[in-house]
Parts: sequence; C-alpha cells; structure tokens
Amino acid sequence: RKEVEQDPGPFNVPEGATVAFNCTYSNSASQSFFWYRQDCRKEPKLLMSVYSSGNEDGRFTAQLNRASQYISLLIRDSKLSDSATYLCVVNSFSGGYNKLIFGAGTRLAVHP
Amino acid sequence: NAGVTQTPKFQVLKTGQSMTLQCAQDMNHNSMYWYRQDPGMGLRLIYYSASEGTTDKGEVPNGYNVSRLNKREFSLRLESAAPSQTSVYFCASSEAQGTASYEQYFGPGTRLTVT
Repeated sequence: RKEVEQDPGPFNVPEGATVAFNCTYSNSASQSFFWYRQDCRKEPKLLMSVYSSGNEDGRFTAQLNRASQYISLLIRDSKLSDSATYLCVVNSFSGGYNKLIFGAGTRLAVHP
Repeated sequence: NAGVTQTPKFQVLKTGQSMTLQCAQDMNHNSMYWYRQDPGMGLRLIYYSASEGTTDKGEVPNGYNVSRLNKREFSLRLESAAPSQTSVYFCASSEAQGTASYEQYFGPGTRLTVT
C-alpha cells in the first residue's frame, strides 16, 4: 500500500464549478500535511498547509480527518488557471529524520 | 533572489555514461534534497542533506551519489547511467529540521533521458 494515495483523475470541470479532492495516508504518526500544486512540466509549489482545525485561503479550503487518515482540498469557483496537478504531502519521521512523502497527484482540468 | 537553481535543464545520456546534476540555493537553507519524479509514482527521495557536511540515503539511492559542497550547493552524480534512471530530477531546499515551517522549495527540474 502506498503511504499517500490520491485519485489520479483527471477531474474535468467547467469554470465556476466546485471540486474536491481527497487523499489518504497510512502513517498514523504523521503530524504535518500539505497540498502542493504542480503545473505541467514545472516544479511543485506549496499551495497550503493543512491544519487540524481546517483552514481556508480564498477559494481553497483544506480539511484534515485524523481518525480516518484523510485530507481533503476543496476548490470553489474554479478558474482556468486552477488547471494543474495537486499533490497531497504528508510528513513521516523515521531514522531520526523528518521527511515529506508525496502522493502521485490528482490532475484537474478546468474548461470554459 | 533566484531561489533554487538546477543545471542542466535537459540531458540525454547513453547507458554507462556518467554525469553530475548541479543544484544551488540562495535562501540560506540548511536542508537540501534530491528527488526523482516518474509518471504515476509521485516524487521519490533519492538523497538528502539535513545540514552542511551531512548526507543520507532516501528511498531510492541505488545508482546515485551526492555531495554537499557547501551550504548553498548539493550535487547528484550518476556514475553509470541506466535506462531505469530516465526521469525528471528535482532539487529542493528547506529550513532546518524540526522547525514549524517545513515548506520545501523546488528547482525547475532536470529532464534526463538514458538511451
């Protein structure tokens, strides 16, 4: 089983739609959670951190469910510029080192 | 402020050839990382350097070596390239281990093809 699992998509949605992605993780000891965005043939960039109480940044809302070990990302009022791959990222502490585990990503395509 | 830079951007190698991928960051970060990204598999950690003078193996270190030349620079070497090493390679950096802010900043990547 992968440590971080995501639906690869693609999610094809019209502009203005609301879309949600989920991600599950296997390490119950994980403490830090993030969503990164990766545009085609570009490097990943941090979109937002995910806090236990949930957090919102404009049109983006991230939620964490520790009991079920999943993280979600909700995008409201989708824009064409939201088209990208969204990577779910979870920390893992092993061997004395705190590292990040990246999911394979969920692809979003927003169309006019 | 360039962030994280990588060279080269593209490279084609023949099986058995060697090469070094260069990475530099100007954010005064202590930790640096090398990842590879393959379709459907997500980013996988090859090697990391928690601080200047230290390097450790990540998830997929076989076939690679690294050098933390100084605080700014972290290079990745392929001694004898194999077709299985065809991938996109990303270098990243972050603040010191254990801080609340753990964002990793990535370079633009190197697209490597081994024939």
